[in-house]
Amino acid sequence: AQRVTQPEKLLSVFKGAPVELKCNYSYSGSPELFWYVQYSRQRLQLLLRHISRESIKGFTADLNKGETSFHLKKPFAQEEDSAMYYCALRGAMGGKLIFGQGTELSVKP
Amino acid sequence: GAGVSQSPSNKVTEKGKDVELRCDPISGHTALYWYRQSLGQGLEFLIYFQGNSAPDKSGLPSDRFSAERTGGSVSTLTIQRTQQEDSAVYLCASSLPPHRGREGTEAFFGQGTRLTVV
Repeated sequence: AQRVTQPEKLLSVFKGAPVELKCNYSYSGSPELFWYVQYSRQRLQLLLRHISRESIKGFTADLNKGETSFHLKKPFAQEEDSAMYYCALRGAMGGKLIFGQGTELSVKP
Repeated sequence: GAGVSQSPSNKVTEKGKDVELRCDPISGHTALYWYRQSLGQGLEFLIYFQGNSAPDKSGLPSDRFSAERTGGSVSTLTIQRTQQEDSAVYLCASSLPPHRGREGTEAFFGQGTRLTVV
């Protein structure tokens, strides 16, 4: 079964501090993994995907198959990073996209 | 249209009534997804359509929930005999067909329909 777990409902940090949003998954195979973000009053949108190995808005995420994790990291948080972050998984053969419960990131000045 | 469009934006209904929520996907997107977003529950998968394949209905919470996709485009999510626990934001998304060779296909979301059952 496909499952995504985000253990933290709320993460609160001060501006300039490092931030790590945790994501663990369960899937028997090689999944596609994503981070989506929802800013206040905006639509849910893609932040980054593991296949691209890119850094978006200073965020990076590394797929660790041994630990079945895909944690999202940023070395210096900014106030504009405050949002709801969702980790998502899609099976290797395509199909539905499964999301975690979400983590609300609050960056304080 | 430029993006995924959902209607209505807000819907208030009385307990026991049926409701229909509509989703217009991005033109050319053969994959369409429905989710329910509620506080503390994250994004709950409901149903997935891909082209002419049989839809993946594994996320529908009860037989009161059903969805159709006519002509491979517009989709309607129907909730019969609504209950208060159905109150949530219902999100629709669409994408190009995800498959091997096109990894990392992005799903584009609508603004959602906020359903309140009173």
